[in-house]
Amino acid sequence: DSGVTQTPKHLITATGQRVTLRCSPRSGDLSVYWYQQSLDQGLQFLIQYYNGEERAKGNILERFSAQQFPDLHSELNLSSLELGDSALYFCASSVASDSSYNEQFFGPGTRLTVL
Amino acid sequence: AQKITQTQPGMFVQEKEAVTLDCTYDTSDQSYGLFWYKQPSSGEMIFLIYQGSYDEQNATEGRYSLNFQKARKSANLVISASQLGDSAMYFCAMRVLNTNAGKSTFGDGTTLTVKP
Repeated sequence: DSGVTQTPKHLITATGQRVTLRCSPRSGDLSVYWYQQSLDQGLQFLIQYYNGEERAKGNILERFSAQQFPDLHSELNLSSLELGDSALYFCASSVASDSSYNEQFFGPGTRLTVL
Repeated sequence: AQKITQTQPGMFVQEKEAVTLDCTYDTSDQSYGLFWYKQPSSGEMIFLIYQGSYDEQNATEGRYSLNFQKARKSANLVISASQLGDSAMYFCAMRVLNTNAGKSTFGDGTTLTVKP
């Protein structure tokens, strides 16, 4: 158990819908990262938050947004869902913003299926 | 931009033998970290081992060792004495250090199957 929690574990929804994925980092970790793992794109970095502020952005679609709250939990919002958004979404956390090496601890993931 | 290449989509190894999973990387940055993760069929990502670009010695963690050849930009994972529980997908990743952003770039992964 990495100490990173993600809910829900599984999510099945329809095209055009909107969903929210939730992540609670390890106690003491200030950085939260979101990754998407799909069959055709592999494991891709989406976005990073550090202590409530956006720190880095990767291949995140405009239909997707995220935020980190004062209690440091994070939510990833996916809207106007398409079949291609079906994937495993990971949240990871680390102590700092990676100015030096900090291991990223991954949560168990949320498996999103868009029908 | 960073790029990770894992050229072996699938590998087989006999139980108790050693296996090497290949990883090459490309970056223009001087300070970076290389990571290996294991993803079993259950889906979670498990951190295995880390190597910093300035580390002079190869990293080792139990049965895992990282064969780091900086000039060749390779960071191969060696698993000694393979066990059935080692069957999983293995990802090589890198992260540029000394920046304010900690995004990791991952390879496509290698599926390792350990045969009894």
